[in-house]
Amino acid sequence: AQSVTQLGSHVSVSEGALVLLRCNYSSSVPPYLFWYVQYPNQGLQLLLKYTTGATLVKGINGFEAEFKKSETSFHLTKPSAHMSDAAEYFCAVSDHTSGGGADGLTFGKGTHLIIQP
Amino acid sequence: EAQVTQNPRYLITVTGKKLTVTCSQNMNHEYMSWYRQDPGLGLRQIYYSMNVEVTDKGDVPEGYKVSRKEKRNFPLILESPSPNQTSLYFCASSIGIGRKNTGELFFGEGSRLTVL
Repeated sequence: AQSVTQLGSHVSVSEGALVLLRCNYSSSVPPYLFWYVQYPNQGLQLLLKYTTGATLVKGINGFEAEFKKSETSFHLTKPSAHMSDAAEYFCAVSDHTSGGGADGLTFGKGTHLIIQP
Repeated sequence: EAQVTQNPRYLITVTGKKLTVTCSQNMNHEYMSWYRQDPGLGLRQIYYSMNVEVTDKGDVPEGYKVSRKEKRNFPLILESPSPNQTSLYFCASSIGIGRKNTGELFFGEGSRLTVL
């Protein structure tokens, strides 16, 4: 069974500082990896995804993430935080080969990003 | 506009009074899923559906029912709601899950349910 661990339920950074949200996964096969963002009072929306190919993927709003197979990680970064980045961020894994009663999608518990002025 | 629509967005009800939260998508997606979101617990899957008339339990199915009679609709039914089902509920859809598809999900805006 696969799992997703997001280190830190809350992360606080100053406006203009580097944002780093950590995600580690376990999977028996090379997975597809996702970061979703949830702004206050809204549903989740896709920030970026890794399926195959280039391991550094760029998403919306200046975010990017790097798939590191050796570290089983998919950390999310942004060079300079904006107040508008305050939201809940979810890492998710799809092993895309599962069946037999499981859809193969697993979400982390989420990280609440707080931006200090 | 491609979207997943949930109704109602907000509901306060009482223990034991049956309710249905509707979910509809206009993207012709095969896969649909229901999640509940609770503080400190993240997203937990209730039920999912790979296609019409194909549904499966997620991690927390107790107290819930679903049906998938049409591709676009995936209602969540609480036959006898209890206070522990007070939560924020999300419906999501995807073109598909599996080798042919990435599994990228499109979410509705959420339904906040309070059971007194």
